[in-house]
Amino acid sequence: GAGVSQSPSNKVTEKGKDVELRCDPISGHTALYWYRQSLGQGLEFLIYFQGNSAPDKSGLPSDRFSAERTGGSVSTLTIQRTQQEDSAVYLCASSPQHREGNIQYFGAGTRLSVL
Amino acid sequence: SQQGEEDPQALSIQEGENATMNCSYKTSINNLQWYRQNSGRGLVHLILIRSNEREKHSGRLRVTLDTSKKSSSLLITASRAADTASYFCATAQMDSSYKLIFGSGTRLLVRP
Repeated sequence: GAGVSQSPSNKVTEKGKDVELRCDPISGHTALYWYRQSLGQGLEFLIYFQGNSAPDKSGLPSDRFSAERTGGSVSTLTIQRTQQEDSAVYLCASSPQHREGNIQYFGAGTRLSVL
Repeated sequence: SQQGEEDPQALSIQEGENATMNCSYKTSINNLQWYRQNSGRGLVHLILIRSNEREKHSGRLRVTLDTSKKSSSLLITASRAADTASYFCATAQMDSSYKLIFGSGTRLLVRP
């Protein structure tokens, strides 16, 4: 497909376990973003990639959160030692940077539940 | 902290009526965008208005921007049941336009 793909769509894990969330952006999009959305809330910015580098990691809530992007394409968000407050929907978006005011294209998200 | 605040938080209208949602923000912006989110899905871009624009139309959507009041409104005319969704405003900051700061959203219910 041509859209942003995220996997898994749902993830249930136990407190203390590590999880990896994957994002496959639209081909050719140089910018990639991760957001977190708690139930009934707006989106909380986590991290921004331009190519493989992350100029802005300011939204990562703690050092348990990390992300990488390889080949200017797929990105992985890793949460170590998950806590119950990490439960949320994690959304990925990509953008053809510097065009049309940074319109972002979103995936359907990964719903993370930490028991 | 979130840049945008939206009101109302929830809105219920009858099909055919107009829906108006408002967004306020705090700092200087490059542009303001509106997105729609259906339940359990990702966000879809609806419309973008630049800081030097005051009004923009796209189909049944009308967006206004008042930079002096740091506010925007989204009007959906002749609403349909399929318009039922959450609507978010997002601002691209003047000094870091790559980043969008999202509001808390308005949940719109259009009753058939």
